Amino acid sequence: EMQLVESGGGLVQPGGSLRLSCAASGFSFSSYAMTWVRQAPGKGLEWVSGITSGGSTYYADSLKGQFTTSRDNSKNTLYLQMNSLRAEDTAVYYCAKMGIHFIDYWGQGTLVTVSS
Amino acid sequence: QSALTQPASVSGSPGQSITISCTGTSSDVGGYNYVSWYQQHPGKAPKLMIYDVSYRPSGVSNRFSGSKSGNTASLTISGLQAEDEADYYCSSYTSNSTRVFGGGTKLTVL
Repeated sequence: EMQLVESGGGLVQPGGSLRLSCAASGFSFSSYAMTWVRQAPGKGLEWVSGITSGGSTYYADSLKGQFTTSRDNSKNTLYLQMNSLRAEDTAVYYCAKMGIHFIDYWGQGTLVTVSS
Repeated sequence: QSALTQPASVSGSPGQSITISCTGTSSDVGGYNYVSWYQQHPGKAPKLMIYDVSYRPSGVSNRFSGSKSGNTASLTISGLQAEDEADYYCSSYTSNSTRVFGGGTKLTVL
């Protein structure tokens, strides 16, 4: 059974950093592009970043330079390094598996709260 | 990259059909046949309902259909059921290899 389990969320102070992890199982992780999507409380979905199976990365314009996505295919794990966090980065962060040009499977999400 | 434009809310009675629109630009919706639709119930992760404009994943009811004309894509739900009440989001591939979502539409089944 396919599973994506996010971890690393929590409370962080403004200006701080956090690294999210997403452990994948039940499919050939190294063969698929992956993506991060976030959802602020009571708001809509926002695409954050994507990484191809080969490791090329893409970011939402508003987040370039602030977030870094990486993957470790030997550990079947996706990462999101988040720096210089602001209150507006408070959201549930979803890890998701890509089909070709669509998300075909989502994790359950991890909540990041940026507050003093 | 600006969010795609969706109506904030739509409603319909059981058995009726509704359509949700998703308007972008020639750099996203209009430029590629890579529009997807997601259903999200409260407190749950989104679920893929339509991909590549009009294809249904295995297990998704054939009451859900998608289409596109120019810069606007549409999701139609026929034979509305109570369980269809949820938020719906469109998404598109973009010209700089990123993705963009719509603002979301809340569907109410009356």
